Parts: sequence; C-alpha cells; structure tokens
Amino acid sequence: AQKITQTQPGMFVQEKEAVTLDCTYDTSDPSYGLFWYKQPSSGEMIFLIYQGSYDQQNATEGRYSLNFQKARKSANLVISASQLGDSAMYFCAISPDGGATNKLIFGTGTLLAVQP
Amino acid sequence: DAGVIQSPRHEVTEMGQEVTLRCKPISGHDYLFWYRQTMMQGLELLVYFNNKAVMDDSGMPKDRFSAKMPNASFSTLKIQPSEPRDSAVYFCASANQVYEQYFGPGTRLTVT
Repeated sequence: AQKITQTQPGMFVQEKEAVTLDCTYDTSDPSYGLFWYKQPSSGEMIFLIYQGSYDQQNATEGRYSLNFQKARKSANLVISASQLGDSAMYFCAISPDGGATNKLIFGTGTLLAVQP
Repeated sequence: DAGVIQSPRHEVTEMGQEVTLRCKPISGHDYLFWYRQTMMQGLELLVYFNNKAVMDDSGMPKDRFSAKMPNASFSTLKIQPSEPRDSAVYFCASANQVYEQYFGPGTRLTVT
C-alpha cells in the first residue's frame, strides 16, 4: 500500500522568498509517480508538477521544482519567488503506476500563507 | 477547450433522499475518477473507470453509492439513501495516457 505524509499543517513565507513544502512517501512499488496539486480557497484542484520514480533529474515547472530524493523517499516542493497568489493548500500525491492513469493517494496537505 | 464539467455545483438535500452527481470528462480522456474531500478524511478516491469499465471501486461504500459511466462522455455518482456523513466536496477528474489528472470544479454536497 502507498502512503503520503505531509508533516507541515501550515507554513508562512514572505513574498518573493522561496519556500519548501515537505512530502515523504511509502511504497513498495518499483514504479510510481509523485504529484503536487494546489487548491486555492476557491476549491479547484490545480496540477503543479510531476516526478516519475525513474526520472534522473528533478522536475521543474516555472517557479515550481520538485526536490526528489529517492533513497529518503521524499518529494519536497520548492516554490521560488513566492507571490501572494501562491497562498493555498498544497497536496502531495502518489500514483502506483508512475502516471495518472491509476488512482492518486493524497497527503493531508499543507496550508501556505504568503505574507506581503 | 472545456475542462471537466460537473453538475450541480452545490446540492443540499435531506437525509434519506437520493442524490445524483454528474460529470463530463475532457473529450478523448479514457480515465475518469471520482474523489471525495472532507475535513476528516481528506481527499480519497471512491472509484475510477478506464474506457467506461470500473477498474477500482474499493473506496466506495457500495451499500449506498453507485457509479456508472454509460458512455465515454458522461458519468454519474449516485447516493441512495443519503446520510449527513456524506456531506463533502465530490470531485471528478479525467486523464488520458499522459500523467496529469484534470479535476473538475467539484460538487459541494450538504446532507441535512
């Protein structure tokens, strides 16, 4: 069985600074995918970034990067140059087949507040 | 392009009533997922389809929940009878062979 742990219920960051949101996972599958989603107060789920378990390089998407440490089973999200619009709930998720064609198992989320 | 469409966006019903949630996935997506989000349980998968066939419904309470996908462009999640503990936001998501699941805006269900 797969499990995602997000130990930070809430985080504060100053505008324009970088912030790291922690995510650790547990799986016995050799192939899996790791995802980050953003949920603003309006409620929609917005895909941010994906990392495959066999990817050699850390994934990056604009201001988002994923610090993937396979041996430690961690997949931390780094947001650079925080903006006020980054204030939201952030969910880490794992998919056992390496992609989104199977179910996603979500963590409990981290609420990020960006302060001016 | 239209994203995943869900209806209704809000539903308030009384305990014991039947509730039907609807979802139209993105055209061409072969996978459709139903998730439920509550404060206590977080986001959990209820059921998902591949090419209209149920692949995994282990997260769905089968005594009162049922999910169908009669065609590639439409799915329903039905709760009968509804209970207050079913109050949640229900998300539908779809995906093709690439890695991203696209979520709909959700249906906020309140059972009184």
